[in-house]
Amino acid sequence: DTGVSQNPRHKITKRGQNVTFRCDPISEHNRLYWYRQTLGQGPEFLTYFQNEAQLEKSRLLSDRFSAERPKGSFSTLEIQRTEQGDSAMYLCASSRGQGDNQPQHFGDGTRLSIL
Amino acid sequence: GDSVTQMEGPVTLSEEAFLTINCTYTATGYPSLFWYVQYPGEGLQLLLKATKADDKGSNKGFEATYRKETTSFHLEKGSVQVSDSAVYFCALLRWGAQKLVFGQGTRLTINP
Repeated sequence: DTGVSQNPRHKITKRGQNVTFRCDPISEHNRLYWYRQTLGQGPEFLTYFQNEAQLEKSRLLSDRFSAERPKGSFSTLEIQRTEQGDSAMYLCASSRGQGDNQPQHFGDGTRLSIL
Repeated sequence: GDSVTQMEGPVTLSEEAFLTINCTYTATGYPSLFWYVQYPGEGLQLLLKATKADDKGSNKGFEATYRKETTSFHLEKGSVQVSDSAVYFCALLRWGAQKLVFGQGTRLTINP
């Protein structure tokens, strides 16, 4: 169990630029989740994949955000035309697919700063 | 909708003190309940969980009991250490759902 891996750890970009983050889940986990955490708050759910299928999206995920998991393994989260309000920690988590209420295991996150 | 309310922080204690961090929830049905811990610069680590009423989750000296009647899942530890300094998050997962709902977090600082 090598844990959930996220890259990059930090990303600094200018407003209006596009950014892409990558998440590699724990190898035997077929569920993958993205959350966003702003300073002093708990994480908020963005979206969830079962294998390659994106099964749920939060209303927080505006049309500037897109997430993919093309082969059911790693996932990418892209933000287009970044805005100041996108500055946050983006967390990825994964869990086993059998049964419900399996615990979610988190990566160390990607911290995005918009200048 | 589902929600989790945690005790306001920050909480500052001396080493070996008794710790309680309160957590109450609102949810449809009987969710699973979790405590996660976040150390500086890191992601969230699962600390403990409980999946049904009266279950007690425990790990690393921390305990929490799922109380359906009071919709609570308070975190306790009998003797805290400096290394327990972190932010603690209470969370729920509604049965059949995949979205964790988190409280706002409680920052804990333990002084030697």
